[in-house]
Amino acid sequence: NAGVMQNPRHLVRRRGQEARLRCSPMKGHSHVYWYRQLPEEGLKFMVYLQKENIIDESGMPKERFSAEFPKEGPSILRIQQVVRGDSAAYFCASSPPFEEAKNIQYFGAGTRLSVL
Amino acid sequence: QKEVEQDPGPLSVPEGAIVSLNCTYSNSAFQYFMWYRQYSRKGPELLMYTYSSGNKEDGRFTAQVDKSSKYISLFIRDSQPSDSATYLCAMSVYNQGGKLIFGQGTELSVKP
Repeated sequence: NAGVMQNPRHLVRRRGQEARLRCSPMKGHSHVYWYRQLPEEGLKFMVYLQKENIIDESGMPKERFSAEFPKEGPSILRIQQVVRGDSAAYFCASSPPFEEAKNIQYFGAGTRLSVL
Repeated sequence: QKEVEQDPGPLSVPEGAIVSLNCTYSNSAFQYFMWYRQYSRKGPELLMYTYSSGNKEDGRFTAQVDKSSKYISLFIRDSQPSDSATYLCAMSVYNQGGKLIFGQGTELSVKP
């Protein structure tokens, strides 16, 4: 039973390039969450998605960041025109499709983004 | 003031010791309380999950929630070197979309 799959595990980008991070939820899970972990800080919520819908994006920076979870395929977190401050570990989590279980989230191994 | 406060440590204990990890919080609406373990450069792993107040035990791990004091704890009995990791508390409000609010994490080292 595969867990939450994230790729790539490591991503290096130069300033101004685009970064695309992918997340496939656990089998049977339909809720996806993205979190960011900056050095020496805890995990910060970014966005919550269900298939084809953004439910809560209150933690997303207003510019350059976007997320989607299409009907088919993985969820994508996209960062346009990356800056050095975007360097962080980005984690995806998923939860089962019933109400209470939204709070029981299982995390992937993360994508470590380095911006040169 | 952060919504969730957690002492970052580091905390160092000898093998076999009982470990106590704690978090305090300010939002009285939190109803779900989780503990995650994170090894270096890995993703967080869900250890314990508690709804509302009370205790929950799973093997060597016990989670306690005291909503009146806005205080949660994780106890690890008979600690092992393999328990060395960062422990993150997380909380959420029912019907707020599963948005988890994390503490900063406590780095634990169990010495053989």
